[in-house]
Amino acid sequence: AQSVAQPEDQVNVAEGNPLTVKCTYSVSGNPYLFWYVQYPNRGLQFLLKYITGDNLVKGSYGFEAEFNKSQTSFHLKKPSALVSDSALYFCAVRPKDMRFGAGTRLTVKP
Amino acid sequence: EAGVAQSPRYKIIEKRQSVAFWCNPISGHATLYWYQQILGQGPKLLIQFQNNGVVDDSQLPKDRFSAERLKGVDSTLKIQPAKLEDSAVYLCASSFGWAAYNSPLHFGNGTRLTVT
Repeated sequence: AQSVAQPEDQVNVAEGNPLTVKCTYSVSGNPYLFWYVQYPNRGLQFLLKYITGDNLVKGSYGFEAEFNKSQTSFHLKKPSALVSDSALYFCAVRPKDMRFGAGTRLTVKP
Repeated sequence: EAGVAQSPRYKIIEKRQSVAFWCNPISGHATLYWYQQILGQGPKLLIQFQNNGVVDDSQLPKDRFSAERLKGVDSTLKIQPAKLEDSAVYLCASSFGWAAYNSPLHFGNGTRLTVT
């Protein structure tokens, strides 16, 4: 069975500070890991993915994620948060169907 | 490229009524998905099509939900009869290939269904 867990419902950071949104996964075999962002009344937008290779993956809007096989984690990071980063973030895992976590609401305060 | 199109954006119906949602995927995307997103939860897969064939419908409540993709392009999702617990956002997504597990999904803006 495959699953992801996002242990934090809410993450609050100040603008300009680094941010981390946590994700852990469980999957048989090699994981294909994704991060998506959802703005109000919109569908999910793809941010980045890890398939194989370098454990640090760079994606859209300055986001990056670090794959850690021993800790089965794929945390989303950004060195300097913007107010416009405030949104709902979902971690997801494949293979087979795309299985999503429950989401983490990120709020960046000015 | 044009994104995934969904309609309607919003729908309010009474319980026991029927409702249908429409989706047009990105041109050339063979795989189409319908997800249900209940408030406060992540999207849950209802059904996955590869061209016009069903790949996975294991989580589709088949006593009331149905979906089709007759010509391998557009798709419709129907609920009949609706229940209160069907209130959710229904998201359509597409991807380039089914076996391409490294392909991200491209989502439409969804249809928000409220059942009263």
